[in-house]
Amino acid sequence: GDSVTQMEGPVTLSEEAFLTINCTYTATGYPSLFWYVQYPGEGLQLLLKATKADDKGSNKGFEATYRKETTSFHLEKGSVQVSDSAVYFCALSSGGSYIPTFGRGTSLIVHP
Amino acid sequence: NAGVTQTPKFRVLKTGQSMTLLCAQDMNHEYMYWYRQDPGMGLRLIHYSVGEGTTAKGEVPDGYNVSRLKKQNFLLGLESAAPSQTSVYFCASREMDGFVNQPQHFGDGTRLSIL
Repeated sequence: GDSVTQMEGPVTLSEEAFLTINCTYTATGYPSLFWYVQYPGEGLQLLLKATKADDKGSNKGFEATYRKETTSFHLEKGSVQVSDSAVYFCALSSGGSYIPTFGRGTSLIVHP
Repeated sequence: NAGVTQTPKFRVLKTGQSMTLLCAQDMNHEYMYWYRQDPGMGLRLIHYSVGEGTTAKGEVPDGYNVSRLKKQNFLLGLESAAPSQTSVYFCASREMDGFVNQPQHFGDGTRLSIL
């Protein structure tokens, strides 16, 4: 079946540091890929998405590129802020499946 | 622009009590989901629905029941609450997939404690 593997956290960075959160997946066919962000006390919200190979999703300074050859969708940001502290989830949806597959989530802590 | 609304936001129950969590979405989405989130466990799917009048079991359905009598509402019931059901419960909805798969929209959660 489908699966998503994320790097374990927490990831702790200083403000303005470069961020990478790794995500790899296994899936049949050509899934759509998503990054969700969960701020403390809130539900998950879509951060960015990509629907086909080599697509780059971007939002709020975050980027991720759909790499079919390495089955990866790593999340990056050039300069993190304290307000980016949250839990980040990588997820996929495969055609024909009603149920998306989520990674376990990666906690990001950004210090001033 | 409400999106997905969950009620209540917080609840404390005693073991053996029953309750119903309500999820309402105003986006005319076909698919709806109930998850629970526990520390270190990520999101686990309890039940889901692919349309009005339909429900199906997810990864951890035991101890829960659901109903989808109206397209916009998805109810999660605990018939006899147990301490192991202490968790944060999230409802999500999404559009029917077309050429591409659609993302989910989540509510803000219900924090449930069973004493």
